[in-house]
Amino acid sequence: KAGVTQTPRYLIKTRGQQVTLSCSPISGHRSVSWYQQTPGQGLQFLFEYFSETQRNKGNFPGRFSGRQFSNSRSEMNVSTLELGDSALYLCASSWTRLAGGPGTGELFFGEGSRLTVL
Amino acid sequence: AQSVAQPEDQVNVAEGNPLTVKCTYSVSGNPYLFWYVQYPNRGLQFLLKYITGDNLVKGSYGFEAEFNKSQTSFHLKKPSALVSDSALYFCAVRDMADSSYKLIFGSGTRLLVRP
Repeated sequence: KAGVTQTPRYLIKTRGQQVTLSCSPISGHRSVSWYQQTPGQGLQFLFEYFSETQRNKGNFPGRFSGRQFSNSRSEMNVSTLELGDSALYLCASSWTRLAGGPGTGELFFGEGSRLTVL
Repeated sequence: AQSVAQPEDQVNVAEGNPLTVKCTYSVSGNPYLFWYVQYPNRGLQFLLKYITGDNLVKGSYGFEAEFNKSQTSFHLKKPSALVSDSALYFCAVRDMADSSYKLIFGSGTRLLVRP
């Protein structure tokens, strides 16, 4: 079974630009979460989607947004990029029960998209 | 509020010796606890989890972890370290009452196993 796929793996943007990152979850996984990893702040939760609905959101400004499609693929968007947005953005998927309950399953992470803002 | 503490930035151990990476947590309810490992320029790989039941949990690559409710700890252990175990290790917690999959991660502990 293929793992979580994130694209692009590396990208460089300049301040003020916007960026869209893509995530394809493991087949059958309906929950997709996004995390930001930086040396200073560590791993921070951005948001989680289940069945195209945002189920939880971290403490990030509105410039950070996401969505999930009917095939469970997800995208996150960062608008008006700032230098501090440089980070590794990690997507994770997880299996859920049909009713949408959290289950007890672990998250399966992709390799990440490394964003550098100049 | 949920939180995870990994008190050691780095743990150094000789190959063949036992290793312990410490983790303490705080949640309002009952916890789900996880350990992940990260190699350079890679994503996080799941090692093991504690949900309920036996306090000693066995996971991938010979790792195990001991859940201690009274001390709110979930230390990662391995009886005999390998050089290839050198990596960044993260402890994470989720409140069992949380309907989402939000994990709170510790700051990470770098494990260095010397030959």
